[in-house]
Amino acid sequence: SQKIEQNSEALNIQEGKTATLTCNYTNYSPAYLQWYRQDPGRGPVFLLLIRENEKEKRKERLKVTFDTTLKQSLFHITASQPADSATYLCALDTGRRALTFGSGTRLQVQP
Amino acid sequence: ETGVTQTPRHLVMGMTNKKSLKCEQHLGHNAMYWYKQSAKKPLELMFVYNFKEQTENNSVPSRFSPECPNSSHLFLHLHTLQPEDSALYLCASSQKPPQQGTRNTEAFFGQGTRLTVV
Repeated sequence: SQKIEQNSEALNIQEGKTATLTCNYTNYSPAYLQWYRQDPGRGPVFLLLIRENEKEKRKERLKVTFDTTLKQSLFHITASQPADSATYLCALDTGRRALTFGSGTRLQVQP
Repeated sequence: ETGVTQTPRHLVMGMTNKKSLKCEQHLGHNAMYWYKQSAKKPLELMFVYNFKEQTENNSVPSRFSPECPNSSHLFLHLHTLQPEDSALYLCASSQKPPQQGTRNTEAFFGQGTRLTVV
C-alpha cells in the first residue's frame, strides 16, 4: 500500500542547533514534494517545493533535499529558534487531484 | 492571513443538528478542497472542486455534503454527524493549470473549523 512516513515522535533540540526532519514514502513516484508548517489550531502554511530533478532547495534558514532513489526527503532548519517550534508536514504530488500529506513531525526548540 | 477564510472557527453540534461550514478564498484560485484532520492522523482529503466542478469525492459519508456555488466559495453541509466526526476541518485553495495531469501547486489553507459532535 502507499504510505508516507514522518517521525511521529517529537523532535526536541537546543536553540541554535540544526533540526533535521525526515519524510519517507513507499509505492509513490511523486514528481514534486512540498513541506508545510502547522501551528496548533491553525491551517498548514506552505514553506518549500522541490521537484524530482532537484537534489536540494534552500530558502533562508531552510533546506530541503529529495532523493527519489531512497524515496526520502530531508528538511533542515539551521540556527533553529524557539519560534520554529511547530509541526512540519511533508506532502507528495502523486498525480491525484490534490496533495497527499504525511502525519507530520512536531519540532520543539528549547531556548 | 493566507487569503482563505473559514467560518466558524469553532462549532459544537448535536448528532441531530444540521450546520454548514463556510470557506472563502480571495486569491483568484480555481481549485478548492476540504480536508479533515483528526488527532495524530494525516490530513485526509474529502472533496476537490476544480473550476467549480467536483472532481473528487474521497469515499466520504453522505452526512457530509459539499457545495461550490462559485470559484471563490465552498461550503460543507453537515447533518446527523457522529462523535467520531469531531475534528479540525480545513479548507484550501490552489491554482491548477487547465491541462490534464499537470502537477499540483502549493495549497493555501484557512485556519480551520474545530468541530465537536456531542
